[in-house]
Amino acid sequence: GAGVSQSPSNKVTEKGKDVELRCDPISGHTALYWYRQSLGQGLEFLIYFQGNSAPDKSGLPSDRFSAERTGGSVSTLTIQRTQQEDSAVYLCASSLEPNEKLFFGSGTQLSVL
Amino acid sequence: KQEVTQIPAALSVPEGENLVLNCSFTDSAIYNLQWFRQDPGKGLTSLLLIQSSQREQTSGRLNASLDKSSGRSTLYIAASQPGDSATYLCAACTSYGKLTFGQGTILTVHP
Repeated sequence: GAGVSQSPSNKVTEKGKDVELRCDPISGHTALYWYRQSLGQGLEFLIYFQGNSAPDKSGLPSDRFSAERTGGSVSTLTIQRTQQEDSAVYLCASSLEPNEKLFFGSGTQLSVL
Repeated sequence: KQEVTQIPAALSVPEGENLVLNCSFTDSAIYNLQWFRQDPGKGLTSLLLIQSSQREQTSGRLNASLDKSSGRSTLYIAASQPGDSATYLCAACTSYGKLTFGQGTILTVHP
């Protein structure tokens, strides 16, 4: 597609369940990023993938959060044993190279009941 | 730790006005400074990226400046239009992949 695609657009889950969020970056973009946007916290960096290098996971808030990027393209963010404080919009972005413009997807609105 | 502050938090102007949005950052060791707009319920749209070695960037009615030494960036919007209404976010890139965002300025341009 022409832009960054995220699915699902909305996800409602019960506390304690696991969820998977998917991101399809723009074709040919080497860098992929996950950010989280929540009320009162603004936008927070979660994780960054660049090519085949080890990802920068320094923004992941706990070991319940993990992400992978398969074949240098699609990425999945997994949250295990979800908590209410995980409720937020999860945004994925990609860029052609690091230090270039980021293109964001429309996000996944996660609600943990 | 990088901190980014945006002033004002909200701004309401009549159509046609020129306006300035301000962004300040505490750590001048940045790779670049980026400005985004966000429409309600949508993701972020990149507006301008200023590399650390640059002083300004222009795109249409938008002009962004960067003063690393003072830790400031401004976004200038000329001849504002109702379609410019959105939240404007600045972000400082302190290492590859990591943007630190401000809280945003909510802009309303009324006809």
